Amino acid sequence: DGGITQSPKYLFRKEGQNVTLSCEQNLNHDAMYWYRQDPGQGLRLIYYSQIVNDFQKGDIAEGYSVSREKKESFPLTVTSAQKNPTAFYLCASSPSGPGSKPQHFGDGTRLSIL
Amino acid sequence: EDQVTQSPEALRLQEGESSSLNCSYTVSGLRGLFWYRQDPGKGPEFLFTLYSAGEEKEKERLKATLTKKESFLHITAPKPEDSATYLCAVQYNDMRFGAGTRLTVKP
Repeated sequence: DGGITQSPKYLFRKEGQNVTLSCEQNLNHDAMYWYRQDPGQGLRLIYYSQIVNDFQKGDIAEGYSVSREKKESFPLTVTSAQKNPTAFYLCASSPSGPGSKPQHFGDGTRLSIL
Repeated sequence: EDQVTQSPEALRLQEGESSSLNCSYTVSGLRGLFWYRQDPGKGPEFLFTLYSAGEEKEKERLKATLTKKESFLHITAPKPEDSATYLCAVQYNDMRFGAGTRLTVKP
């Protein structure tokens, strides 16, 4: 079945450490997204990519970095510069083309501080 | 600033007690409105897309409607398995999500 796979499901970060969250999709979608979800708030966009080797900052990109070397993969690195990284991180993808298309989500990675 | 507001924040229903969830938005130039269901510890699951005022979509006990400034998700005769958080998202230049309505259906 096609879908989006995020790993790991749970991740713990030590002080000063960078950690990388994996996102892989086999839906053949061009666009991929990273969101952060905090209790009581809507999903906030961190980074998005419309095509391989290109990505754009979202509303809360500071302290995060991404790469898009393959169509299927869009890893997110949470750097030590992100001072409040504890959150539920969601990866999504959508097809490109005219019209508004729904985004499809993975099952998330929960990041906590040790 | 463009905003998406969902109400109520939480809703508790008895099994079979129909109700509606609201999503209001101040976005101009709406390109699409999306409803998702999210279970605890999971990613959002896509339910419906609405594109223009007057449009309606149905799936089992759920019906979504759209006006020029808001959308409703109507739940008819809900069952305990309908318990989840329901998210609304609005797309203009990019996608904006509401904070969700947490629905609990008691047997």
